[in-house]
Amino acid sequence: DAGVTQSPTHLIKTRGQQVTLRCSPKSGHDTVSWYQQALGQGPQFIFQYYEEEERQRGNFPDRFSGHQFPNYSSELNVNALLLGDSALYLCASNHKGDRALTGELFFGEGSRLTVL
Amino acid sequence: AQSVTQLDSQVPVFEEAPVELRCNYSSSVSVYLFWYVQYPNQGLQLLLKYLSGSTLVKGINGFEAEFNKSQTSFHLRKPSVHISDTAEYFCAVSESRNTDKLIFGTGTRLQVFP
Repeated sequence: DAGVTQSPTHLIKTRGQQVTLRCSPKSGHDTVSWYQQALGQGPQFIFQYYEEEERQRGNFPDRFSGHQFPNYSSELNVNALLLGDSALYLCASNHKGDRALTGELFFGEGSRLTVL
Repeated sequence: AQSVTQLDSQVPVFEEAPVELRCNYSSSVSVYLFWYVQYPNQGLQLLLKYLSGSTLVKGINGFEAEFNKSQTSFHLRKPSVHISDTAEYFCAVSESRNTDKLIFGTGTRLQVFP
């Protein structure tokens, strides 16, 4: 049973560029969330996708956008990259019906973005 | 607004010694509390959670935590640590079971020495 998988694992971009990160949720899960973890900090919630729509959003600018596909996989897009966007981007999944019962998120290993 | 404070950024301890990692939260509504562990170069894994019921919660790998509403705390404990417990530990809170929006603390680095 595959867990949450993310790609790429590492990437380097320059300021002003755009990046797309990808996530496949754990088998049986239908909800995907994205978190940003800056060095030495805890993860910060970016947004959640369910039924191909953004359902909840954290305090991130519109440069951060996403998408969920019919197979529940998801993409995170960041435009006009800034140095401060350098971070580990984590994807988490769960099943909406189970969330109320277990309260658990399943995280991938993350995509480490470096902006030069 | 919700917030989580982890008072210790680093906790060094010798193997087989007990350990407590402290977590305090701020919230004006009902809370749901979590401890996650992050091993080097890995994602986060749930250690334990408090949703309701007994205030003493037992998790994986011998960890436990106690929810204290009056002190707004959710400290993590283990009576005897192992080298393999070396990792970053994050306390998190949410206001609803039906949200994926967790508010995380800044983490505590547990370093276990032989």
